[in-house]
Amino acid sequence: GENVEQHPSTLSVQEGDSAVIKCTYSDSASNYFPWYKQELGKRPQLIIDIRSNVGEKKDQRIAVTLNKTAKHFSLHITETQPEDSAVYFCAASQGDYKLSFGAGTTVTVRA
Amino acid sequence: DADVTQTPRNRITKTGKRIMLECSQTKGHDRMYWYRQDPGLGLRLIYYSFDVKDINKGEISDGYSVSRQAQAKFSLSLESAIPNQTALYFCATSDPWVANEQFFGPGTRLTVL
Repeated sequence: GENVEQHPSTLSVQEGDSAVIKCTYSDSASNYFPWYKQELGKRPQLIIDIRSNVGEKKDQRIAVTLNKTAKHFSLHITETQPEDSAVYFCAASQGDYKLSFGAGTTVTVRA
Repeated sequence: DADVTQTPRNRITKTGKRIMLECSQTKGHDRMYWYRQDPGLGLRLIYYSFDVKDINKGEISDGYSVSRQAQAKFSLSLESAIPNQTALYFCATSDPWVANEQFFGPGTRLTVL
């Protein structure tokens, strides 16, 4: 099955700086890569996703890049704000239902 | 607003007891999922269902069973609970004809003593 590794496990950034989270996947057949954000005590929520036919996708301050050859994808958050503090999970799947999640990255934005 | 709900939200039980976690949704989605979340391990898929009476094993189905008797309801059972099943359990739904997003419920925190 698919194996997704996520780094770093924790990330502390100064407000206004950028944050980058990286994930690698093992199954070359995977073609869907979502990112979920989970605030403390809350449910995970989708923030952005990308399919394998696209190399980069951007939505305001967040962007995701995908390198199919190297089998890795990354989440970039620019101009970080306190409300960006949360746990972020990457995931991969062939199709869009049987998601394999990474272990998560706890992001803390320091004021 | 259409939503995904879970009951109970918190449950403490003893080793060997049978327990059922319930998930209901008003989103009208056909696909439903059960995940467990453990610190440092992320979310792992237990079972998923594409329609009523359709059941598929996920990554970690051993020790669990599910029932999908109606489109809106998906139940997870632990026939004989053990301490390493202590975790946060999430139900989720999706409608692939609209979007790829999975919508999660609020979670059930289960403790097995």
